[in-house]
Amino acid sequence: EVELTESGGGLVQPGGSLRLSCEASGFTFSYYWMSWVRQAPGKGLEWVANIKRDGSERYYVDSVKGRFTISRDNANNSLYLQMSSLRVEDTAVYYCTRELHDWGQGTLVTVSS
Amino acid sequence: DIVMTQSPLSLPVTLGQPASISCRSSQSLVYSDGNTYLDWFQQRPGQSPRRLIYKVSNRDSGVPDRISGSGSGTDFTLKISRVEAEDVGIYYCMQGTYWPYSFGQGTKLEIK
Repeated sequence: EVELTESGGGLVQPGGSLRLSCEASGFTFSYYWMSWVRQAPGKGLEWVANIKRDGSERYYVDSVKGRFTISRDNANNSLYLQMSSLRVEDTAVYYCTRELHDWGQGTLVTVSS
Repeated sequence: DIVMTQSPLSLPVTLGQPASISCRSSQSLVYSDGNTYLDWFQQRPGQSPRRLIYKVSNRDSGVPDRISGSGSGTDFTLKISRVEAEDVGIYYCMQGTYWPYSFGQGTKLEIK
């Protein structure tokens, strides 16, 4: 059974940094593209970033380019999202997904002073 | 960037009746490989999203056959032939043809 477990969310001040992690199990992690998708409170879904199986290609939504970095560790079946220069508008539940087919339960990031 | 526009945004439906959601993209979603990367997702209250349909009309495993997707180019439709209580939630279309990927605003389906 595919399982995706996000962690690392929390309260951070504007301008701060946070690193999200996603632990994957139940499938061969290195075979799949992985994504982060976020959802602001009471709002719709927003795709954030994708990373190729071997990490050689990464794509981002314009609003996070230069501030967020998606990465992965295939040896440890883990996906990451390093977030810096955080803004109030980055407040959201962040979901880890396997090719948008399987989703974790999400981790809440709150950016507030 | 591609803009995805859904309608209606609110959809009250009587149990057992059909439902239809429209999704339009700001440009054709046909990729150079001939595929059209248009997916549909369902998000039930308090739950993570779940993909229902990929590449316009392919149902994911476990999705009942009363849910179907169709369309081409820039116009796509999700249909539920007979709405059941478990269908309550928000439905999103998403294009995966161009970077950045983009979702529609969401359509909230409720029971009338």
